[in-house]
Amino acid sequence: DAGVIQSPRHEVTEMGQEVTLRCKPISGHNSLFWYRQTMMRGLELLIYFNNNVPIDDSGMPEDRFSAKMPNASFSTLKIQPSEPRDSAVYFCASSFHNSPLHFGNGTRLTVT
Amino acid sequence: EDKVVQSPLSLVVHEGDTVTLNCSYEVTNFRSLLWYKQEKKAPTFLFMLTSSGIEKKSGRLSSILDKKELSSILNITATQTGDSAIYLCAVILNTGTASKLTFGTGTRLQVTL
Repeated sequence: DAGVIQSPRHEVTEMGQEVTLRCKPISGHNSLFWYRQTMMRGLELLIYFNNNVPIDDSGMPEDRFSAKMPNASFSTLKIQPSEPRDSAVYFCASSFHNSPLHFGNGTRLTVT
Repeated sequence: EDKVVQSPLSLVVHEGDTVTLNCSYEVTNFRSLLWYKQEKKAPTFLFMLTSSGIEKKSGRLSSILDKKELSSILNITATQTGDSAIYLCAVILNTGTASKLTFGTGTRLQVTL
């Protein structure tokens, strides 16, 4: 089992640039979650999908953030334009029904 | 607003000590409480607790849920340096669709020699 795969592992970009984070959930899992982790706020849920459909995006900070899940094996989180306050570790996680979430290793984003 | 609070925020102990980490929650539609351990990368799953008063145990780690007090504790006995990590508590809500987790900010545990 390959686990949840995220790319890139690290991303450094300049303010104003578009950033795309990618996630491949565990095969067979039907729910996918995007979290952001900072020292100040801990792990915050941004958005989650069930069977590829966005269920709750109330955690998405603002319109600069968007997420898609075009199929069961792929999701993206896009930030356009990026800002320094977006710097954080972004985690993708997946689960099957009521099972615990399995997390990817995260993407560390730095916006300068 | 759903809230999960962990205490202490950070803790430094000596190897061999026993530690107790606390988690309390105020949420609507509680389903289960989970504990995760986060070292350098992804949080890894430790326990899922759904019923009150039933202890879950794995080696030197154990956890129990008190639904009356809306809280849980995670105990680590005979701590080792490898236990140094952030311990995260999360609550699963009954959303009817998926297992939405709300996390606390974590307890940072450092075990020294």
